[in-house]
Amino acid sequence: AQSVTQPDARVTVSEGASLQLRCKYSYSATPYLFWYVQYPRQGLQLLLKYYSGDPVVQGVNSFEAEFSKSNSSFHLQKASVHWSDSAVYFCALSMESNNRIFFGDGTQLVVKP
Amino acid sequence: NSKVIQTPRYLVKGQGQKAKMRCIPEKGHPVVFWYQQNKNNEFKFLINFQNQEVLQQIDMTEKRFSAECPSNSPCSLEIQSSEAGDSALYLCASSRNERLFFGHGTKLSVL
Repeated sequence: AQSVTQPDARVTVSEGASLQLRCKYSYSATPYLFWYVQYPRQGLQLLLKYYSGDPVVQGVNSFEAEFSKSNSSFHLQKASVHWSDSAVYFCALSMESNNRIFFGDGTQLVVKP
Repeated sequence: NSKVIQTPRYLVKGQGQKAKMRCIPEKGHPVVFWYQQNKNNEFKFLINFQNQEVLQQIDMTEKRFSAECPSNSPCSLEIQSSEAGDSALYLCASSRNERLFFGHGTKLSVL
């Protein structure tokens, strides 16, 4: 069965510091992988997605993620966070195009000034 | 920026009442999803449509919800008899090329 695990419920970093939000997935083949961000009282916004090709994917707002088949991971990274990055981040996977998406439980990112 | 429009933004119902919410997907997106997000941020897939036809739905949706996505009209999701456990954020998303674009959601409170 497919699943997504985000082991960190909450991550706190200082503004300007680097960031890594962890995501592990479980699926027998290579899935479509996504990172979404949810700001308070809003829907989800897509940051980036991966299906094939270069394992390092660039997204919006200088986020990037690295796919690792050997580790079944898709960690999100950012070199220097800003206070406005404070939000909840969701890792997600889909098994095929237009199929339902499975979400992790989210990681609350708090950026301290 | 997403152009998925969900109404109403907030919905308050008593137990046993019907609760109906609507979604206008982004133009040109053939697939529409409904998700329920609870207060612990957990997502539950409810149903998805492709060109007005149901693709997948969970048991709960089939038994307790009424959903449709007619052409030239908003999609809708209606709980036939609301329960306290239905209190959540209901998110609609439309999809093209594997990318989901979400609306702001309808926050349902069942008193």
